[in-house]
Amino acid sequence: EVQLVESGGGLVQPGGSLRLSCAASGFSFSTYAMHWVRQAPGKGLECISVISSNGGNTYYANSVKGRFTISRDNSKNTLYLQMGSLRAEDMAVYYCARAGGLFGELNYYFDYWGRGTLVTVSS
Amino acid sequence: DIVMTQSPDTLAVSLGERATINCKSSQSVLYSSDNKNYLAWYQQKPGQPPKLLIYWASTRESGVPGRFSGSGSGTDFTLTISSLQAEDVAVYYCHQYYSSPHSFGQGTELEIK
Repeated sequence: EVQLVESGGGLVQPGGSLRLSCAASGFSFSTYAMHWVRQAPGKGLECISVISSNGGNTYYANSVKGRFTISRDNSKNTLYLQMGSLRAEDMAVYYCARAGGLFGELNYYFDYWGRGTLVTVSS
Repeated sequence: DIVMTQSPDTLAVSLGERATINCKSSQSVLYSSDNKNYLAWYQQKPGQPPKLLIYWASTRESGVPGRFSGSGSGTDFTLTISSLQAEDVAVYYCHQYYSSPHSFGQGTELEIK
């Protein structure tokens, strides 16, 4: 069974940093591109970053470019999101999602999602 | 970046009636090399992650009831629920995966009239 489990969320002050993790199981993690998607309270979904299956290609939304870094450790089946210079508008539930392409395609629909981890930015 | 716009923002439909949600992309998401529309639909209920319903604009995900269907091509797409059931109350999102970073519509909240 495919499982994605996010962790690392919590309360952080404006300007602070946080690292999120997404532990994957039940599939060949190194084969798939992975995405981070966030959802502010009561708002819609925002794709913020994607990483290719081997980690060689990454993309970021303008809203997080230069502040967030996506990475992965295929030996640990884990996806990461290093978040810095956090702002109030970064407060959201952060989901990791698998792009369902069997050959690691970045541009594929999301067939599995984690349950998310909440990041609260407040002083 | 591709901007996705859904309409309406909120939709109230009677049980057993048809529900139609529209999604428009700011540029075509039809990839000429494979003739596929890189467009998906998701359903999200409170406190849950989104659930994939439709991909390639019209292919139903395994296990999704047959009353859900997707149509459209290029820049204009539609999600149709042929006979609304109580369990279909949710927020629905379209998603373009034609280019990175991907983008979603703002969501359509579906209610029972």
